[in-house]
Amino acid sequence: DAGITQSPRHKVTETGTPVTLRCHQTENHRYMYWYRQDPGHGLRLIHYSYGVKDTDKGEVSDGYSVSRSKTEDFLLTLESATSSQTSVYFCAISSTDYNEQFFGPGTRLTVL
Amino acid sequence: GESVGLHLPTLSVQEGDNSIINCAYSNSASDYFIWYKQESGKGPQFIIDIRSNMDKRQGQRVTVLLNKTVKHLSLQIAATQPGDSAVYFCAENTGTYKYIFGTGTRLKVLA
Repeated sequence: DAGITQSPRHKVTETGTPVTLRCHQTENHRYMYWYRQDPGHGLRLIHYSYGVKDTDKGEVSDGYSVSRSKTEDFLLTLESATSSQTSVYFCAISSTDYNEQFFGPGTRLTVL
Repeated sequence: GESVGLHLPTLSVQEGDNSIINCAYSNSASDYFIWYKQESGKGPQFIIDIRSNMDKRQGQRVTVLLNKTVKHLSLQIAATQPGDSAVYFCAENTGTYKYIFGTGTRLKVLA
């Protein structure tokens, strides 16, 4: 998985609770992304980062926030989890904004 | 566990045969394309890419063909093996940071 880890790998939580997912890379890549994957949909971009402290919204950013204080870590936070956020979340990295993205192993999140 | 849709189109091929997986992309301005392989419970794995100034690119046992006229991409896998069983999907780059990912095709390799 190209030096990318995600934690936790599985999480079950209740509606209304905050959740933070972590992505850690050892490749020193500048660009990092958070996607969600749901049945019937391709991967959809939640947020991305183009450098430390530089982030922007993707197509499905409502209800999510991100932070990147170090090159190697990109955090995704669900401020108040809802059942519609039950999904598999993938982190990806790339060395430029215009080449292949390498994905982590994913986090399966269930919101009850 | 499953990480993609339960009702994906499925391609079943005999071990040793060649596989062809197709993808129709949406944006005529897209100029970079990637094929990914995703095994159950794992993250997508990069297979091969192609830029729009090419119509064919070959890797190890894989070939990607690009037909910009009809906005069509295909992935050919030679001598398909059991380890090739997975979901395959394409991605098109529509601009900086922006990719559209397909929902994928499930490849089943029959022994």
